[in-house]
Amino acid sequence: GAVVSQHPSRVICKSGTSVKIECRSLDFQATTMFWYRQFPKQSLMLMATSNEGSKATYEQGVEKDKFLINHASLTLSTLTVTSAHPEDSSFYICSARDGTGGDTGELFFGEGSRLTVL
Amino acid sequence: GQNIDQPTEMTATEGAIVQINCTYQTSGFNGLFWYQQHAGEAPTFLSYNVLDGLEEKGRFSSFLSRSKGYSYLLLKELQMKDSASYLCAALDSNYQLIWGAGTKLIIKP
Repeated sequence: GAVVSQHPSRVICKSGTSVKIECRSLDFQATTMFWYRQFPKQSLMLMATSNEGSKATYEQGVEKDKFLINHASLTLSTLTVTSAHPEDSSFYICSARDGTGGDTGELFFGEGSRLTVL
Repeated sequence: GQNIDQPTEMTATEGAIVQINCTYQTSGFNGLFWYQQHAGEAPTFLSYNVLDGLEEKGRFSSFLSRSKGYSYLLLKELQMKDSASYLCAALDSNYQLIWGAGTKLIIKP
């Protein structure tokens, strides 16, 4: 099946610094990518929908100035957590939709990135 | 509002069959997904149903009834590695995924 690569898998940073997470679709073009956050023992929460070449659409309650999303190409989207704080510590997961399947195309998930802010 | 309901936790025995139910209420409907998620890992795709009926894929099958807003995931010949959370998600009219909280499946020898 299609592969989505997410990097880094684990990152530890100091409070106040910024962290960038990359999400790449390796063998398909992803016109739409989704960024999720999952706190322990909770379900995935959609943070934002990223469309190639346009601004991301953020879910209610997600600060767009804090979580910067860039989808500059059909195979790469990045999430930058700016001025990270301990409460931003979480598991961040990206997913990408194979554009050939249209809006109901299968979603493929990255491996996830565990962020720990000290 | 939009809502997905599935049991929080289920327990089954190795080699047995288990059915995980999911009911949904969404603004429009464009299909239902089932994902498997092991602790600390990203979800992996299991199935996608948009038409009524049963879709079988090896040991796993998924059923959808659009009129009832109901789906189930059927796991046969359970193996210890099937211990995981199973997430039900519905695609609404805006093609946004509405996620359930997941069902934690515990397999006992």
